[in-house]
Amino acid sequence: GENVEQHPSTLSVQEGDSAVIKCTYSDSASNYFPWYKQELGKRPQLIIDIRSNVGEKKDQRIAVTLNKTAKHFSLHITETQPEDSAVYFCAASITGGYNKLIFGAGTRLAVHP
Amino acid sequence: NAGVTQTPKFQVLKTGQSMTLQCAQDMNHEYMSWYRQDPGMGLRLIHYSVGAGITDQGEVPNGYNVSRSTTEDFPLRLLSAAPSQTSVYFCASSPPGTGVYGYTFGSGTRLTVV
Repeated sequence: GENVEQHPSTLSVQEGDSAVIKCTYSDSASNYFPWYKQELGKRPQLIIDIRSNVGEKKDQRIAVTLNKTAKHFSLHITETQPEDSAVYFCAASITGGYNKLIFGAGTRLAVHP
Repeated sequence: NAGVTQTPKFQVLKTGQSMTLQCAQDMNHEYMSWYRQDPGMGLRLIHYSVGAGITDQGEVPNGYNVSRSTTEDFPLRLLSAAPSQTSVYFCASSPPGTGVYGYTFGSGTRLTVV
């Protein structure tokens, strides 16, 4: 089955710097890769996603890149702000039929003023 | 719409007790699933359902049962609670035709088994 590895487990940056979180997946049939943000004590919330027919997607300060050959994808946050501090999860799924969304272990991002 | 509603928010069980975690949605979502979240291990899929009457196992199904008799409800049953089932449980659902694309999570149930 699918396995998703996420690195680093913790990340500390200064406000205004960029942050990059990387994930690798095992199943080459996976074709959907979302990223979720979870603030302390809250539910995970979808912040951006990418499908396998594109290599990059941007939404304001957030971008995701996908390298299907290497089976890895990354989350890029530019101009980080203290409110970006949270746990970020990547996930992968084989869509169509009985979909399963498999998550990485998470990255705790701390943005220091 | 109330979204995805989970009850209870907190629960303490003794080892060997049984209970049901409730998950309901009023958005006609066809795809529903249960995850558990443990520190350092992310979200792990327990069971999922693609529609009423259809369920399947996820990554960590042992010790849990589910059923989907209606589109709205997807309860998770612990038949004999164990300390290893201490965790935060999240239910998630998505609109018809979107599969995992439109996933939204409930607010979670924090379960402690002593």
